[in-house]
Amino acid sequence: GQQVQQSPASLVLQEGENAELQCNFSSTATRLQWFYQRPGGSLVSLLSNPSGTKHTGRLTSTTVTKERRGSLHISSSQITDSGTYLCAMGNQGGSAKLIFGEGTKLTVSS
Amino acid sequence: EAAVTQSPRNKVAVTGGKVTLSCNQTNNHNNMYWYRQDTGHGLRLIHYSYGAGSTEKGDIPDGYKASRPSQENFSLILELATPSQTSVYFCASGDAGINTEVFFGKGTRLTVV
Repeated sequence: GQQVQQSPASLVLQEGENAELQCNFSSTATRLQWFYQRPGGSLVSLLSNPSGTKHTGRLTSTTVTKERRGSLHISSSQITDSGTYLCAMGNQGGSAKLIFGEGTKLTVSS
Repeated sequence: EAAVTQSPRNKVAVTGGKVTLSCNQTNNHNNMYWYRQDTGHGLRLIHYSYGAGSTEKGDIPDGYKASRPSQENFSLILELATPSQTSVYFCASGDAGINTEVFFGKGTRLTVV
């Protein structure tokens, strides 16, 4: 079946450093959405970006649909950015299915 | 932001019992989803729906039923709960289209003893 691979599995940064998270998918995606989750918390939508580049605050999402990959760049990381970042892909053909990767756990320390 | 409300937030059930998890969304979204999240498996899709009266099997539907009686409500039913169904369950909703977002509820922690 369709698969979503995220890398790295975990990432440790000092406050102020930038983070680059990767998402690769096994089939052509018609949409890609990034989520944030704190331990024990729910998923918060960050960006939905089917193709190209999209910005919000310190976050930049880039999706290259033809190459079946996406990335999330976090600039000037803060301690409060710590948590798990999940990407999810929607497949083609009009299906509503949204398949998740296993996430990147980000830890930002001072 | 879209509001997705799950109930109950916590549930302890006995093996073999029936469990119903409820989800309500107030944003007139067509699509609704049920996922479970377990350590080591991430988020896995159980059932989803395109609208009232529609239910579709996700990637792990065995042991679960779903019901979408209206645009706003989507239930997940465990007819005969088993300990392996102990998990955190998330409901989500969203519209169709490549630029739309999916929004999640706060989750239900289910323990089957």
